[in-house]
Amino acid sequence: KAGVTQTPRYLIKTRGQQVTLSCSPISGHRSVSWYQQTPGQGLQFLFEYFSETQRNKGNFPGRFSGRQFSNSRSEMNVSTLELGDSALYLCASSLTGDSSHGYTFGSGTRLTVV
Amino acid sequence: GQNIDQPTEMTATEGAIVQINCTYQTSGFNGLFWYQQHAGEAPTFLSYNVLDGLEEKGRFSSFLSRSKGYSYLLLKELQMKDSASYLCAVFSGGYNKLIFGAGTRLAVHP
Repeated sequence: KAGVTQTPRYLIKTRGQQVTLSCSPISGHRSVSWYQQTPGQGLQFLFEYFSETQRNKGNFPGRFSGRQFSNSRSEMNVSTLELGDSALYLCASSLTGDSSHGYTFGSGTRLTVV
Repeated sequence: GQNIDQPTEMTATEGAIVQINCTYQTSGFNGLFWYQQHAGEAPTFLSYNVLDGLEEKGRFSSFLSRSKGYSYLLLKELQMKDSASYLCAVFSGGYNKLIFGAGTRLAVHP
């Protein structure tokens, strides 16, 4: 079965712009989580969606938002980009979101803000 | 608060055994994961422990002690391809999220 697909793989944006990243989970998986990975902070949880509903949110400013569609594909949006938003953004796909089914990560979108 | 600690870097020799430790203090616990991540790639699942004890899977084993807030990942018969970052993550079931440690970068030398 196809894995978790994230697009685009690489992105360069200017400060102040906004960006939208996409994640297509494994077929049949209804939970999608988003993480930000930076060298200094490691992986940090952004938010989790299940059946189009945000169930949980991490400690990120409101500039970070997301949504999930009826086909379970998810997008995350970052508005008013700052240099510190440069990171690898990973999404993780899970059948239900609980630990018993595990999580499969996509290869990520590397965002560079200049 | 939420805190997961693991060593930043480790080195080992091809063919040897290495143990990567992880200690955690989290407000919820519904299991502990180990992931492997090669540079520029997605983290890939290695193991999952929810009960105390040792889980063995080929060259990789993972141990959990919930009372001590402690886990380790044991890699045997090290190969060059095992050079990667190893991520310890706790699942806080009440929050549906993984809390990650900063990762341990393992370098395997000939």
